Amino acid sequence: DAKTTQPPSMDCAEGRAANLPCNHSTISGNEYVYWYRQIHSQGPQYIIHGLKNNETNEMASLIITEDRKSSTLILPHATLRDTAVYYCIVRVGSSSNTGKLIFGQGTTLQVKP
Amino acid sequence: EPEVTQTPSHQVTQMGQEVILRCVPISNHLYFYWYRQILGQKVEFLVSFYNNEISEKSEIFDDQFSVERPDGSNFTLKIRSTKLEDSAMYFCASRGRAGLVTDTQYFGPGTRLTVL
Repeated sequence: DAKTTQPPSMDCAEGRAANLPCNHSTISGNEYVYWYRQIHSQGPQYIIHGLKNNETNEMASLIITEDRKSSTLILPHATLRDTAVYYCIVRVGSSSNTGKLIFGQGTTLQVKP
Repeated sequence: EPEVTQTPSHQVTQMGQEVILRCVPISNHLYFYWYRQILGQKVEFLVSFYNNEISEKSEIFDDQFSVERPDGSNFTLKIRSTKLEDSAMYFCASRGRAGLVTDTQYFGPGTRLTVL
């Protein structure tokens, strides 16, 4: 699976949009971009995933560049409860793949009042 | 909304003792995983399990570790003789249905294992 690069930390003001970048320049055509977050030491929580089109759900939006070498997770109106470590993970979307997730260090997002 | 559950939430044991960590995956899921996270470090894959057998394991998952799905609902991780360095959060995860290539992996809340 392709390696990802994320900034180690970011701050965001409460109520503002949080834009979390991720580089995955070696991504292959059949690899999906997944975002998870981990609040304190809780289990990782799924946020969103995509292949090449932009995606939006009730939690966030995912913007993937046309060349698919980078993406941005957008939390439109960050709250204090969004303070967490955010992980960008690239995974092969094959039913024969074991589907394991390889976590990096992620980005620690601190939402400030 | 269905969720993965894990018990106990915290397990304290003496070095050399056996521990069993339990997980109840989401009911219609077919793929099961264990991960661990040592304090202050990243989440690490241990093992994946499908169709009643291990499909992949990491270097961490040595002979001291074993997994089992003893019935239709539980998924367990056994550590035969715990070491101090086994102290960590252990997360169980499960994902969907066969043939669905983009299915999402859902994690449980974790079991904190402390080896004294």
